[in-house]
Amino acid sequence: GAGVSQSPRYKVTKRGQDVALRCDPISGHVSLYWYRQALGQGPEFLTYFNYEAQQDKSGLPNDRFSAERPEGSISTLTIQRTEQRDSAMYRCASSLGSSGGEQFFGPGTRLTVL
Amino acid sequence: QKEVEQNSGPLSVPEGAIASLNCTYSDRGSQSFFWYRQYSGKSPELIMFIYSNGDKEDGRFTAQLNKASQYVSLLIRDSQPSDSATYLCAVNSDSGYSTLTFGKGTMLLVSP
Repeated sequence: GAGVSQSPRYKVTKRGQDVALRCDPISGHVSLYWYRQALGQGPEFLTYFNYEAQQDKSGLPNDRFSAERPEGSISTLTIQRTEQRDSAMYRCASSLGSSGGEQFFGPGTRLTVL
Repeated sequence: QKEVEQNSGPLSVPEGAIASLNCTYSDRGSQSFFWYRQYSGKSPELIMFIYSNGDKEDGRFTAQLNKASQYVSLLIRDSQPSDSATYLCAVNSDSGYSTLTFGKGTMLLVSP
């Protein structure tokens, strides 16, 4: 079947605007993870869901960041009042089980805040 | 603060040689260990995972785990130019804490 998909692939926005990034996990995958990856760094954990329940949001940088997965499938990461420091690659991953291992990544959304 | 350390490289090896990539981690309770390959401009791709002390082989790849030393490595035999990429080490803690902590990655360059 299809892999993890993310949209949009590229998003350019002006400082102060809100953005919504979408992730569609592999069908049947229980867990969904959001990461942020800066150039030359490994992915940095933001938050994750088991089904529709947000299990851990400790990696969200501040309260401008939020995420939801209302039906246990597609997830949206929302950044309110964007700032230039939010510019990064945002990656979504999913895993079949809830143990956290063997995560499969989507292509990412490159966010640029002007 | 869980930490995963990798030498950023680049690690340069000639084609056909063995490439050895190393990773250390701080959380002694870590249970699962993963190696991801990331080509430039692409997303990370899972290539190996290991849960128990010792070696695990899959084709040209061997993962080695030593929990006492908090050390995990990836060996790539008969390295090919197509293996040139950044290799990310990731660690999953125990107690149901299901997130991965990634290292910064080691860039591998295989010259023909």
